[in-house]
Amino acid sequence: SQTIHQWPATLVQPVGSPLSLECTVEGTSNPNLYWYRQAAGRGLQLLFYSVGIGQISSEVPQNLSASRPQDRQFILSSKKLLLSDSGFYLCAWSTDAEGEKLFFGSGTQLSVL
Amino acid sequence: RKEVEQDPGPFNVPEGATVAFNCTYSNSASQSFFWYRQDCRKEPKLLMSVYSSGNEDGRFTAQLNRASQYISLLIRDSKLSDSATYLCVVNGRSQGNLIFGKGTKLSVKP
Repeated sequence: SQTIHQWPATLVQPVGSPLSLECTVEGTSNPNLYWYRQAAGRGLQLLFYSVGIGQISSEVPQNLSASRPQDRQFILSSKKLLLSDSGFYLCAWSTDAEGEKLFFGSGTQLSVL
Repeated sequence: RKEVEQDPGPFNVPEGATVAFNCTYSNSASQSFFWYRQDCRKEPKLLMSVYSSGNEDGRFTAQLNRASQYISLLIRDSKLSDSATYLCVVNGRSQGNLIFGKGTKLSVKP
């Protein structure tokens, strides 16, 4: 069966520090991968999605970036965090076989202070 | 008009009650509709897809009204374990883009 791993679960970072969040998927090949952010009082916002290695689409302009170095690995990064980057970050996957159904990782609660 | 709108609640209901959530969406070209459930500080999990003809899964019934661009979720015989936030989800204008509502919070009391 498919599983998705996301870490860390919580993270407290100072403003201006770098960020790296990692997500890996097991039990499926060539998944579509996504990074979402859920800020307090707001809905989930799609940040990036990827349909294959090295293929990244960005939905919103920001100081975040994403990379997909391997088929089942998706990384979210920032060189310098802003206060507004605080939120609940969720990695998700889907496959053509599942249509548009998304399966989420357990999330990372990021607090930028 | 927001892309996906939901009543934020909270809906506070006693065990055994029937509760209904509504959701409206703005993109008339949307083809895929879902309800997700999210527990506090947890990831969203797919509850059910919503089909044009309406569909039922145990105590849960989802309906779609394309003319009014409106989706509903009905929960019968509420359980304490149904307490969560329910997210309405609609596919967006670009590939891979599902639009999530802010969610409706349900609290089922003994």
